[in-house]
Amino acid sequence: ETGVTQTPRHLVMGMTNKKSLKCEQHLGHNAMYWYKQSAKKPLELMFVYSLEERVENNSVPSRFSPECPNSSHLFLHLHTLQPEDSALYLCASSQDFASGASYNEQFFGPGTRLTVL
Amino acid sequence: AQSVTQLDSHVSVSEGTPVLLRCNYSSSYSPSLFWYVQHPNKGLQLLLKYTSAATLVKGINGFEAEFKKSETSFHLTKPSAHMSDAAEYFCVVSDEHQGGKLIFGQGTELSVKP
Repeated sequence: ETGVTQTPRHLVMGMTNKKSLKCEQHLGHNAMYWYKQSAKKPLELMFVYSLEERVENNSVPSRFSPECPNSSHLFLHLHTLQPEDSALYLCASSQDFASGASYNEQFFGPGTRLTVL
Repeated sequence: AQSVTQLDSHVSVSEGTPVLLRCNYSSSYSPSLFWYVQHPNKGLQLLLKYTSAATLVKGINGFEAEFKKSETSFHLTKPSAHMSDAAEYFCVVSDEHQGGKLIFGQGTELSVKP
């Protein structure tokens, strides 16, 4: 186990539904990340939180709304999604996300496979 | 800006034969480079990392990679493939001027035939 868990592992939702993805890390890390992994495309960084503060938002549509209530938990709230949002959503954590850091190993969860109908 | 290119989208080898997964990077600075592996329905796992120490890096499960600055390459190798090596492999560069943000290649799918 990587120490990062994600629930649910699979989710099917309609375009009008509202759902949330949950990520929890048991590693005592200070930074957490959401990535989107689509078929035949590189991983796309969506959001970065450092010490519960959002430090990066990579032009993600507003239908994706992250929440980081504490350094161990990260949520991704979903509403009015489109079929092209179907993908594997990966959560990761790292010790820190400090400006100028040259290396910051990230530990990944198993992902949530999302299908939007 | 930093970038990484994995030269093969799919590699197929026979069990017991060598594995070579190719990666080239583009960086204006001294990069940190990684290889991650993703087995089906699993998250990404770090195989090995280069952070400006020895240029030949050894990782888990018998994999290793050599950092070649003159060729801007960081190819992943293994002397003898095992069936359990079948997975997706990602070459990654760390953008040290953006807090260690990871930039992923498109991935190489490795198939291992019996």
